[in-house]
Amino acid sequence: TQLLEQSPQFLSIQEGENLTVYCNSSSVFSSLQWYRQEPGEGPVLLVTVVTGGEVKKLKRLTFQFGDARKDSSLHITAAQPGDTGLYLCAGARGSQGNLIFGKGTKLSVKP
Amino acid sequence: EPEVTQTPSHQVTQMGQEVILRCVPISNHLYFYWYRQILGQKVEFLVSFYNNEISEKSEIFDDQFSVERPDGSNFTLKIRSTKLEDSAMYFCASSSAGVRADTQYFGPGTRLTVL
Repeated sequence: TQLLEQSPQFLSIQEGENLTVYCNSSSVFSSLQWYRQEPGEGPVLLVTVVTGGEVKKLKRLTFQFGDARKDSSLHITAAQPGDTGLYLCAGARGSQGNLIFGKGTKLSVKP
Repeated sequence: EPEVTQTPSHQVTQMGQEVILRCVPISNHLYFYWYRQILGQKVEFLVSFYNNEISEKSEIFDDQFSVERPDGSNFTLKIRSTKLEDSAMYFCASSSAGVRADTQYFGPGTRLTVL
């Protein structure tokens, strides 16, 4: 069974701090997607990474896909209260790319 | 910006009843998916659909579940005889490119409550 382990599960930091969220697996994925989910809503896509070693930036968010395509990280620089939310990683597998999700990292940024 | 839509947003039903959850995927997408999320747990894959047939399904997707694309725009998930443990958020997603996953875009979800 393919699993994606996310860490930490919970993270509470002060505004302006930096943080990194990790997503690890023993399995190789064809791509990995990061989503943000608000309570009672659907996951909203942040980024898709496809190539091993790939780095993508989205304003203060930096996403990296591991060289072996088994792990990924999300780094947020100078976190803002608006970054508060649940961050999910999801790896694509199968012939149609169905996603395996991690449990998520619940981030709280205090002003 | 195109988006996936789902109706209803909340469905309450009695155990044993049939429910149909509806989704309108993004219009030029070819791959369609249903996922569910039980409260407090992670999002789980149910089924993928391409070219008018199921391409893959998980162990959760048993004989009580079925999917259909009745016309060119809707994609439905039917649960024939609901059980208490079917209570969850159900998300529809679509993508244009399948495995090289161009990216799956998710709808806002239907919250199903089985009493």
